[in-house]
Amino acid sequence: DVKVTQSSRYLVKRTGEKVFLECVQDMDHENMFWYRQDPGLGLRLIYFSYDVKMKEKGDIPEGYSVSREKKERFSLILESASTNQTSMYLCASTGQGAYGYTFGSGTRLTVV
Amino acid sequence: KQEVTQIPAALSVPEGENLVLNCSFTDSAIYNLQWFRQDPGKGLTSLLLIQSSQREQTSGRLNASLDKSSGRSTLYIAASQPGDSATYLCAVPLQGGSEKLVFGKGTKLTVNP
Repeated sequence: DVKVTQSSRYLVKRTGEKVFLECVQDMDHENMFWYRQDPGLGLRLIYFSYDVKMKEKGDIPEGYSVSREKKERFSLILESASTNQTSMYLCASTGQGAYGYTFGSGTRLTVV
Repeated sequence: KQEVTQIPAALSVPEGENLVLNCSFTDSAIYNLQWFRQDPGKGLTSLLLIQSSQREQTSGRLNASLDKSSGRSTLYIAASQPGDSATYLCAVPLQGGSEKLVFGKGTKLTVNP
């Protein structure tokens, strides 16, 4: 019954590496999101996509980019990983409005 | 700018107790409000979504209420169980019916056997 799948649960990368986080949903949702979650700061929106090839910056897009070539897949890219990008990354999708908001299990990224 | 506050940040109760979690938001022009549950190291699971035209929504032992005019919502958990231990987050649209949500920082609930 898994509907939003993130490719990795745990990831360790080195400073300066290019990192790809993948997210796939099987609910034919138009909207997909990438959040990061940090203790004391809560969830913060990195990027949002409302259609294939369409994207909007969230609250903290610096150091990140995204790709949505197919409706079901939304990728988060860390162009040059830094230690301050160590965090839990959560992907989510939803249909129209905020109905049916579904999260993936998260990827715990550590940059060393 | 929409801001969401949850009080308390943490709550510890004995099993069987009824409890209330609080959520407040600054911009009352919202179309809906959601409550989510997050288990440690996991993603979020949507528990309840209340539309602005509703005053409350129920699912099993959970009841969520919404008072738009005062910018408040409560999540009531009846007869709490150890399995209810988790962090509970509320979220509202950034504006109107936007798909982009603004989340509170959550209330970490511990139910002791």
